[in-house]
Amino acid sequence: GDSVTQTEGQVTVSESKSLIINCTYSATSIGYPNLFWYVRYPGEGLQLLLKVITAGQKGSSRGFEATYNKEATSFHLQKASVQESDSAVYYCALSGMGYKLTFGTGTSLLVDP
Amino acid sequence: DMKVTQMPRYLIKRMGENVLLECGQDMSHETMYWYRQDPGLGLQLIYISYDVDSNSEGDIPKGYRVSRKKREHFSLILDSAKTNQTSVYFCASSLSTGFSYEQYFGPGTRLTVL
Repeated sequence: GDSVTQTEGQVTVSESKSLIINCTYSATSIGYPNLFWYVRYPGEGLQLLLKVITAGQKGSSRGFEATYNKEATSFHLQKASVQESDSAVYYCALSGMGYKLTFGTGTSLLVDP
Repeated sequence: DMKVTQMPRYLIKRMGENVLLECGQDMSHETMYWYRQDPGLGLQLIYISYDVDSNSEGDIPKGYRVSRKKREHFSLILDSAKTNQTSVYFCASSLSTGFSYEQYFGPGTRLTVL
């Protein structure tokens, strides 16, 4: 079946430093899945951060960006300069055939002020 | 204001008791979902509802049932709760089941079964 791998369970970055959160995927139900990053702030539900539905394209939102790399089956999340308010849990996900979203295990980002 | 609400936010039950988790949305979305999340795992789909009285099992439906009598409400029921159902439960909704449609999530219900 489809799967999403996030290798880092927790990441700590100093404010104003750059960030990369790794995400790789395996899609067996569909050749070109849609890829998503969701974010969960403390006490809130998951909310969509960005999505990319076309291989080779880049999505961006709130200073974050991610590129759909079909050759590497990756969708890493990057930000050039993080802020303390970016502290949250970030989930990579893909949608295959039909309704299903497959999520990674999440990466908890802590930004040190 | 587009919102998915969940009640209660925290719940403690004893093994064998019945549990009712409620979810509401104000966006008139046809499709609603129930997920659970356990430490070290991604969100796992329990049930999906395509509209009123049109429900389908997800990946882990065993031990759960759902009810959707109004488009804006979707309930998750645990008959005779088990300790391994201790988890955080998320409800979500989307405009349709198309794979590019965004899912909107509630804040979660933390259920502890003792």
